[in-house]
Amino acid sequence: NAGVTQTPKFRVLKTGQSMTLLCAQDMNHEYMYWYRQDPGMGLRLIHYSVGEGTTAKGEVPDGYNVSRLKKQNFLLGLESAAPSQTSVYFCASSTGTVQPQHFGDGTRLSIL
Amino acid sequence: AQSVTQLGSHVSVSEGALVLLRCNYSSSVPPYLFWYVQYPNQGLQLLLKYTSAATLVKGINGFEAEFKKSETSFHLTKPSAHMSDAAEYFCAVTEDTGGFKTIFGAGTRLFVKA
Repeated sequence: NAGVTQTPKFRVLKTGQSMTLLCAQDMNHEYMYWYRQDPGMGLRLIHYSVGEGTTAKGEVPDGYNVSRLKKQNFLLGLESAAPSQTSVYFCASSTGTVQPQHFGDGTRLSIL
Repeated sequence: AQSVTQLGSHVSVSEGALVLLRCNYSSSVPPYLFWYVQYPNQGLQLLLKYTSAATLVKGINGFEAEFKKSETSFHLTKPSAHMSDAAEYFCAVTEDTGGFKTIFGAGTRLFVKA
């Protein structure tokens, strides 16, 4: 049972570089989410998707873009990385808006 | 707008002692409430959820939480702590208002002393 898989697990970038984080789920969930986790701040929603081909902004969307071309995949892009984007990024999925979310193990991203 | 407050960023208990992690919420409509646990270098895992069926909710690993509307609280308890309970715990609230937004608390790290 893979559940939610995130790649890569670790990455170090230089300021201004770009990269894409990949999230894949094998549970046929409609809803997918990207969060960032920073010490003492819990999880903050970056973007989310309510189905294939849809995306929407969350609480902290600036500096990030997302795409959901396939139901099972949700990509998070950083076009021009900044040190303030150093964080742990979590992807999650669920069957509905009020249902529990299933999380991946996170991507630890450092931007120098 | 909903919000979640977890009282205490760190809680320390002895093995075998009662665990009590506090969560207070605000919501303009009947809320859906969740507790998640996060072990080091892992994602969040669901412990339990409240969906209005019963005020006392039992979860995995011996944890339970009681919904108290009058106190707007959803505290997490476990009668006897085990070393393996050491982790970070997050309370979360969701409103079923047609849109989507789940708010997570800042988290409480539980330490268990031998």
